[in-house]
Amino acid sequence: EAGVTQFPSHSVIEKGQTVTLRCDPISGHDNLYWYRRVMGKEIKFLLHFVKESKQDESGMPNNRFLAERTGGTYSTLKVQPAELEDSGVYFCASSQALVYSPLHFGNGTRLTVT
Amino acid sequence: GQQVMQIPQYQHVQEGEDFTTYCNSSTTLSNIQWYKQRPGGHPVFLIQLVKSGEVKKQKRLTFQFGEAKKNSSLHITATQTTDVGTYFCAGPLNGNKLVFGAGTILRVKS
Repeated sequence: EAGVTQFPSHSVIEKGQTVTLRCDPISGHDNLYWYRRVMGKEIKFLLHFVKESKQDESGMPNNRFLAERTGGTYSTLKVQPAELEDSGVYFCASSQALVYSPLHFGNGTRLTVT
Repeated sequence: GQQVMQIPQYQHVQEGEDFTTYCNSSTTLSNIQWYKQRPGGHPVFLIQLVKSGEVKKQKRLTFQFGEAKKNSSLHITATQTTDVGTYFCAGPLNGNKLVFGAGTILRVKS
């Protein structure tokens, strides 16, 4: 089966610009998560979709971040306007069932805000 | 909020030596998962532990879940260069989302 795919793999933007990250989960996985890893620190939870609904968005840093999952398939994460502290690696992960299911991660998008 | 803590942060070992990373939760976990991220890669699921006191083995890797289900460990016997990477533990906290520890970076000198 195809894994979780993320696009782009790298993005370098200037402070104040907008960036949109995309994630295609494994087909049939209702659960989709966004995580961020900053400067080699812990992998921090951002939000969780179940199909097209936001189940938990408690990890979203502020209203400059907007995630969508129209139709319950792929998801986008938009950062507008980007700030320096938004730099990091953004991982998307998907899973089949909610309870006890391991997460399948994409390769991540490395975002650099200059 | 509820946290998952991991130690040590870094470990450099000589090839052939053993390695252990420890994970502690601020609260009881229903299960704990371990992931490995190779340099430049993405986290890959290794194993899940569910039962109190559970021990599971994968070749040279031994995973333990504490009796109180608040701590866990990963032990690698006779490390190899292929073991290099960051090892994360993760548990469902704060409303069932998977919370990751900060990870332990393992470097192996050959």
